[in-house]
Formats: sequence, C-alpha cells, structure tokens
Amino acid sequence: NAGVTQTPKFRILKIGQSMTLQCAQDMNHNYMYWYRQDPGMGLKLIYYSVGAGITDKGEVPNGYNVSRSTTEYFPLRLELAAPSQTSVYFCASSTWGVGKNIQYFGAGTRLSVL
Amino acid sequence: AQTVTQSQPEMSVQEAETVTLSCTYDTSESDYYLFWYKQPPSRQMILVIRQEAYKQQNATENRFSVNFQKAAKSFSLKISDSQLGDAAMYFCAYRSENNFNKFYFGSGTKLNVKP
Repeated sequence: NAGVTQTPKFRILKIGQSMTLQCAQDMNHNYMYWYRQDPGMGLKLIYYSVGAGITDKGEVPNGYNVSRSTTEYFPLRLELAAPSQTSVYFCASSTWGVGKNIQYFGAGTRLSVL
Repeated sequence: AQTVTQSQPEMSVQEAETVTLSCTYDTSESDYYLFWYKQPPSRQMILVIRQEAYKQQNATENRFSVNFQKAAKSFSLKISDSQLGDAAMYFCAYRSENNFNKFYFGSGTKLNVKP
C-alpha cells in the first residue's frame, strides 16, 4: 500500500547545482501536485498536473520545472539551485469529483541549498 | 484571493482534555472544501477531517470534530480526549470546488499534549 512515494528524503545541494525530485503514485490518480513548505509556514503550490502531458504553474513556480509523461510519475526539476529554494518539498495526488476531493501526500524531501 | 488564517501559532492541552484549534478563511466562492491536516515530526501530511461547504452538518471523525460556520467563514477543529499521539502541527486548508489549483493552507498551529 505505497500511496505517494518521494525520493530522496534528504538532499544538500551547492548553489547552481541541478537536481530532480522524484514522485510516484500507485493509486491511478489523474491529479498530481508539488508543494514547498518553508519553516513555520503552510504549503505553497509550485506546479500541478491534471494528467499525463498536462502541467501548469501554481503559486510559486519560478526556478522549477515539471514533466508528466505517465500517470504514475511527476518529477520536479531544479535547474540552478538557490538558497531561497531551501525548503521541504511535498508531492501529492488526488482524484477529483464530489466526495473524492482528497489529496494524499508523500513523506516529503528536505532540501538544503548551501 | 482566498486566504486561510490560523491565529494560534502554538497551543497546549493536557492529556484527556479537549482543545479547539481555530481557522478562518476568506473567499467569494460558494462551493468549496475545507480540511484539517496533521503533520507529526515525521513530516507526513495526514488528513484528519474534511468538510464540504454545501453540507450544514459538521463533520466528525472519532475524537475529531469541526465547527463549520459558513457565514462567519470559520472552521475550527475540536480534539476530544487528547492523546500524546495528537501532538503535531495542524494545518487548515481550503480548496475550491471549481478550480483544483486553488488549494490554500494556513500557517499552522503547533499542538503540544502534556502528560
């Protein structure tokens, strides 16, 4: 019963490095999301996807890119890491419809950019 | 734009007692969902309870219940018979019925449970 799986759990990057945060879900959900959580704050939406091949920006997309080639995977790409991207990143997935409007979250990836 | 406000950064409750966490929100929409999520030190976001705005009846899940006041735009969480395992950050969240990308979180309330 995996649900939403995120890798890695922790990562330290140097300024200017790139990396991809992985996210996979096994619930056949059409909708997937990436959030960041800064210390003492709630979650802010970075990008979301409504299905394979379809993605769009959320509230804080600058510095990130996403792709969604399959229903299961929704990776988040950081091209040129900056200290402002130090945060905890959460991936989530959901269905949509009356009575189905629940997001399931992964365990998060803690990223530090030094 | 929708906003979600949790005015209590931190609260404490004695084990077995009852505590209420507050949440207010601002919206011009009539159809939406409200959620309370729990985030323990493990960081996993766990859904505690949800409320559909069109339902007048307050949602309950075992020891957790909400007081949903639509006109006042208030959505408080009551935890009865508090347990040590309830200690966590609690986030109130708002989601639009018609716009799935409109999902807003409050800043959270840290709940401490004293034995």
